[in-house]
Amino acid sequence: GAGVSQSPSNKVTEKGKDVELRCDPISGHTALYWYRQSLGQGLEFLIYFQGNSAPDKSGLPSDRFSAERTGGSVSTLTIQRTQQEDSAVYLCASSLRSTNEKLFFGSGTQLSVL
Amino acid sequence: EDQVTQSPEALRLQEGESSSLNCSYTVSGLRGLFWYRQDPGKGPEFLFTLYSAGEEKEKERLKATLTKKESFLHITAPKPEDSATYLCATDGSGGYQKVTFGTGTKLQVIP
Repeated sequence: GAGVSQSPSNKVTEKGKDVELRCDPISGHTALYWYRQSLGQGLEFLIYFQGNSAPDKSGLPSDRFSAERTGGSVSTLTIQRTQQEDSAVYLCASSLRSTNEKLFFGSGTQLSVL
Repeated sequence: EDQVTQSPEALRLQEGESSSLNCSYTVSGLRGLFWYRQDPGKGPEFLFTLYSAGEEKEKERLKATLTKKESFLHITAPKPEDSATYLCATDGSGGYQKVTFGTGTKLQVIP
């Protein structure tokens, strides 16, 4: 694809429901990253994948958050039992190798928990 | 813990009025200092990477510089299309996978 694709672009959910956010990275990019951007806050690192493996999960805010990547391509970020403080823009990025130079970001998923 | 502080939070310039954005960082073992541009409703777009003090990079009206404690993004004769939020980020001791972002400077260029 031409760029990193994220879906849905917007998601409104009720407190306590589970949500799945999807990321399609640029073809051939082995590294994939999830960030969270809250209003007035910087980008918060969540998790990084190299291929299908996640060597660094330390950024996940709680055990309600999980992520997986299949086939070295598509990744899904799952938030269980959503809380209002989970409301934010969730951004996915990919890069050619396991380096942070020149990250290519998607447009993000705006998550609103009511 | 790595820290990145950007100032000012917001900046309003007249078209053609040059200025600079500041990024101060506290990082153990800096491996790279990044600048990104973010437009509303979009993800950040890569601009520059700087690796060592004294390094400079330019792109159109933008010039990024780096010292041991801070980086500057100089904007020369800005145009309205330069309006965006500019993000600074560092890749430090946390490893390549933990780039630390600042909260950004929101730039508005008035025609």
